[in-house]
Amino acid sequence: QSVLTQPPSASGTPGQRVTISCSGSSSNIGSNYVYWYQQLPGTAPKLLIYRNNQRPSGVPDRFSGSKSGTSASLAISGLRSEDEADYYCAAWDDSLSAVVFGGGTKLTVL
Amino acid sequence: QLQLQESGPGLVKPSETLSLTCTVSGGSISSSSYYWGWIRQPPGKGLEWIGSIYYSGSTYYNPSLKSRVTISVDTSKNQFSLKLSSVTAADTAVYYCARQGRNTAMVSYWGQGTLVTVSS
Repeated sequence: QSVLTQPPSASGTPGQRVTISCSGSSSNIGSNYVYWYQQLPGTAPKLLIYRNNQRPSGVPDRFSGSKSGTSASLAISGLRSEDEADYYCAAWDDSLSAVVFGGGTKLTVL
Repeated sequence: QLQLQESGPGLVKPSETLSLTCTVSGGSISSSSYYWGWIRQPPGKGLEWIGSIYYSGSTYYNPSLKSRVTISVDTSKNQFSLKLSSVTAADTAVYYCARQGRNTAMVSYWGQGTLVTVSS
């Protein structure tokens, strides 16, 4: 049971826009930045979005993040086959003094 | 370019202690503002944060694992280590070492990961 809640799966066709939600509480998302990670099959996760909506150098602007209250979302526009991966949200939890992750969302490009 | 590399046994017996080391290259582990941590991923499952350490020795641990985890740092070798005691099959996972921001979930550098299997 993850502290942050994500849908287990999402899907879309090439060119579509998909969103992945991440729900938390006042002690994590509600009071700290949200981060998103992309994990391609067989590889280590990669930082995709930091501080709610910032993209590291090299991450296409097709990826965007947002946060409102105790929830956050990752949006991927112009979906491409190479976007097929697992996506995780994460935040610091003040009550636990720990990093908490969502359970992950498997994105399938149909 | 900063690189992290995990090392340690790939097979551990139940009830024993899992020990892994992460060697950092391309940068100093004594850099301010960063913590050095461990994250694991059981086969086919999601990510679980284990804990992290500052070069001074200050640590944070996942409350669910705290009683069994020790993370230590050796600045002279630019390494940090994980010990997880009393392991069971549920501790079988890919273990990643990582560079983490202080009091944030920002992990900007990851090791490639190492699979540790708990089995007799």
